[in-house]
Amino acid sequence: KQEVTQIPAALSVPEGENLVLNCSFTDSAIYNLQWFRQDPGKGLTSLLLIQSSQREQTSGRLNASLDKSSGRSTLYIAASQPGDSATYLCAVRPSTSYDKVIFGPGTSLSVIP
Amino acid sequence: KAGVTQTPRYLIKTRGQQVTLSCSPISGHRSVSWYQQTPGQGLQFLFEYFSETQRNKGNFPGRFSGRQFSNSRSEMNVSTLELGDSALYLCASSRDWLDEQFFGPGTRLTVL
Repeated sequence: KQEVTQIPAALSVPEGENLVLNCSFTDSAIYNLQWFRQDPGKGLTSLLLIQSSQREQTSGRLNASLDKSSGRSTLYIAASQPGDSATYLCAVRPSTSYDKVIFGPGTSLSVIP
Repeated sequence: KAGVTQTPRYLIKTRGQQVTLSCSPISGHRSVSWYQQTPGQGLQFLFEYFSETQRNKGNFPGRFSGRQFSNSRSEMNVSTLELGDSALYLCASSRDWLDEQFFGPGTRLTVL
């Protein structure tokens, strides 16, 4: 059974710092992994999608990597800004036929001006 | 291009009532998924539909049901509401069921 964890649960950093968020999954048989951000009381915003055949994806100040063999993905945020404050979630789509997307519990990020 | 829309945005019901939530996916998207989000349980998968067929169902009681129409719009229904059904219900659409998911703003359901 696939399980997804995210460490740390919460993170507070000063503005301008580079930071890394972690996502771990127990079963390496995945189709893809997606990173989202969620602002309080709002829906999820897609940040990056990494296919199982890819090692990383980049969008602006964001870079996500995927290591299937170790069951890990990292989201790197460069030069953090107060507007980056949100909860970041990763979600795994298992490659088992008809299996559902599984979300991690999220990392709550606070960037202090 | 319009994003995923969900109606209503807020809903207050009492125990025992039933409720229907609606989701309109991004134009051209054929897959719709529903999730329940609560502070204690996080994001939990409810259903996934593709071309009007339910592809997957989460571990929720039979009171939770859904459907998808030929225009890809989807509805979910919760009957005999319980206090524990209070949550943010999120809908996501994707072009195909393996593609990137895009979420709507959610429907906040409060059961009194």
